[in-house]
Amino acid sequence: DADVTQTPRNRITKTGKRIMLECSQTKGHDRMYWYRQDPGLGLRLIYYSFDVKDINKGEISDGYSVSRQAQAKFSLSLESAIPNQTALYFCATSAPGLGSYNEQFFGPGTRLTVL
Amino acid sequence: AQSVTQPDIHITVSEGASLELRCNYSYGATPYLFWYVQSPGQGLQLLLKYFSGDTLVQGIKGFEAEFKRSQSSFNLRKPSVHWSDAAEYFCAVGSGTGGFKTIFGAGTRLFVKA
Repeated sequence: DADVTQTPRNRITKTGKRIMLECSQTKGHDRMYWYRQDPGLGLRLIYYSFDVKDINKGEISDGYSVSRQAQAKFSLSLESAIPNQTALYFCATSAPGLGSYNEQFFGPGTRLTVL
Repeated sequence: AQSVTQPDIHITVSEGASLELRCNYSYGATPYLFWYVQSPGQGLQLLLKYFSGDTLVQGIKGFEAEFKRSQSSFNLRKPSVHWSDAAEYFCAVGSGTGGFKTIFGAGTRLFVKA
């Protein structure tokens, strides 16, 4: 079974709709992240959470919100989707390590299309 | 500001040939460097990482990378490429004293021809 799962894997929605992407992990990690991937831009951090009570904005948080429902669950919401939010979204987890710089474990991604 | 540059958007190599993917970073202190691979339809998987010590780092799947501080580079190499190595490769730098932040490069897509 996958350690980091994302649902849905694919989603097509319309402009203005609210949509939620969900991430669950069984790795027991405290830290969770949401990234979006666009061709030629690599991965950009949307939000990250170091524990259930700690939520932080990343470099491109506008238009997104998150919820950390439990240590194992971290959801990303688009309150009113727009076409330029069409992208591949990844959830990732990590555990504190030496110097706090450590390997991240990624989910399989959610491909979101906003029409 | 920290940044990561992967100069090659895509590279094509023949199966069995050697491979080098370039990565340059900009960071004021000792960087924490990573290479990840993304196979089609998959998430990213860590190939190797450098924190300190020996500047030649061995990773999974026969990959290695060399940290060169004087050139601000962390190039990924493999002596003999297999068709299954076709994927996208991302270089990343970890930074942020007292906190955590990972900056990813734009990626290099590797094509392997028979």
